[in-house]
Order: sequence, then C-alpha cells, then structure tokens
Amino acid sequence: NAGVTQTPKFQVLKTGQSMTLQCAQDMNHEYMSWYRQDPGMGLRLIHYSVGAGITDQGEVPNGYNVSRSTTEDFPLRLLSAAPSQTSVYFCASRVTGGGGPLIQYFGPGTRLTVT
Amino acid sequence: DAKTTQPPSMDCAEGRAANLPCNHSTISGNEYVYWYRQIHSQGPQYIIHGLKNNETNEMASLIITEDRKSSTLILPHATLRDTAVYYCIVRVKTSYDKVIFGPGTSLSVIP
Repeated sequence: NAGVTQTPKFQVLKTGQSMTLQCAQDMNHEYMSWYRQDPGMGLRLIHYSVGAGITDQGEVPNGYNVSRSTTEDFPLRLLSAAPSQTSVYFCASRVTGGGGPLIQYFGPGTRLTVT
Repeated sequence: DAKTTQPPSMDCAEGRAANLPCNHSTISGNEYVYWYRQIHSQGPQYIIHGLKNNETNEMASLIITEDRKSSTLILPHATLRDTAVYYCIVRVKTSYDKVIFGPGTSLSVIP
C-alpha cells in the first residue's frame, strides 16, 4: 500500500491564484481530513469528510473548499490564495468503524508559499 | 473531547528513558488516550493508545494513572531519531469525530 499520498510536495502561488492540493489514500478509509501547520505551531484542522459526498468544517475552514466524490480522493481547493495561507498542509485518513482504534495515517505534506 | 495539557518542551539524554507527561483531568470514562509524534517536517505518526490499562508496543509504553486524569508516554532508550513533537490526544472512540491536535511537547534528545 502507498498509504496517504499528497501532490505536489512544494508549490509557490501568487496572491489571488487558485490551486488544488491533491490527497489520495489506498486503504479504503472512510474518514479523511486536511490540516495546516504554520511554523512553530501545532496542527489545525481545516476540513474533514466521513465518507464520499459528506464533508464538514474544522477549526480554520475559511478560504478553503473541499469535496469528496470518491472514497480514495479528498482534494483541497484554494480559490483565491492569500499570503496568510502560506503553510504546510497535511492530509490524513483513518477507518470509521470496525471497533478498532481510530488511528490516523498522515501524508508527507505539501509546502505552500503564497507571495 | 477532553482537553489535554502537555509541557511545551523537554530534554532527554541519549540512551536514557524519556518520560512525557500529559494531563487530561476532565477525561470521561469512554475516552481513549492517543499519542502521536511529528519528526521535523514530516507528517505525524501514531505511537500508541490506551483506555485504562498500561500499554506497550515496539515504539513506547503508555502509563495511565488509576484515576485516568493523567498519563505518561515512555520512550525507554531515547535516540537522536526520537527528537520530535509529541502530541497527546484524548477522544471518544466514535467513528465520526474530528481529531483536534494541541501544541504538543517538543522533545530534544541530547547526545
């Protein structure tokens, strides 16, 4: 299994540009989520999804859109990038049932700079 | 989910045991304690979890006090590769709950 993959690894945008950060998992996990991490700070939840067609907001959703059309993919869209969105973005997934521990698996991250 | 409190930073000598505390005084009976760590610039990695009993795996041990209001993650023989930020999370074992991370403890293993 590849686990959780994210593309691109690095991206530089100009203010006002749009882009989509890709996230995919091959573990058949229903739950997927996006976090951002600013320098010296912890992880903050942006959006999450408990299954295809279902998404919800996290702690810092403003400026970001998500959709979940398949179990495998959970893209994060920046419609009009702002310098405040300069950050490292992590995607994560986990199972939602089965009685086992709710262990999250994280991708390697996307480092985004908005100038 | 219950709030957790961790020291912002700790040092540990290489080869010694690293004991990372976490306070979760408002924990409820059905909430688990999870530990993750994040090595610089990488995605966080699951370490261990527990409910009431102490737990051990190949990475670490988890000691939970009898009243469950605090726990300690133990890395028995810390190496330089264990330098990371360690997150303690308390949450109900519910399928659809979102996971919120706190600031964690930055552990520095010193040669």
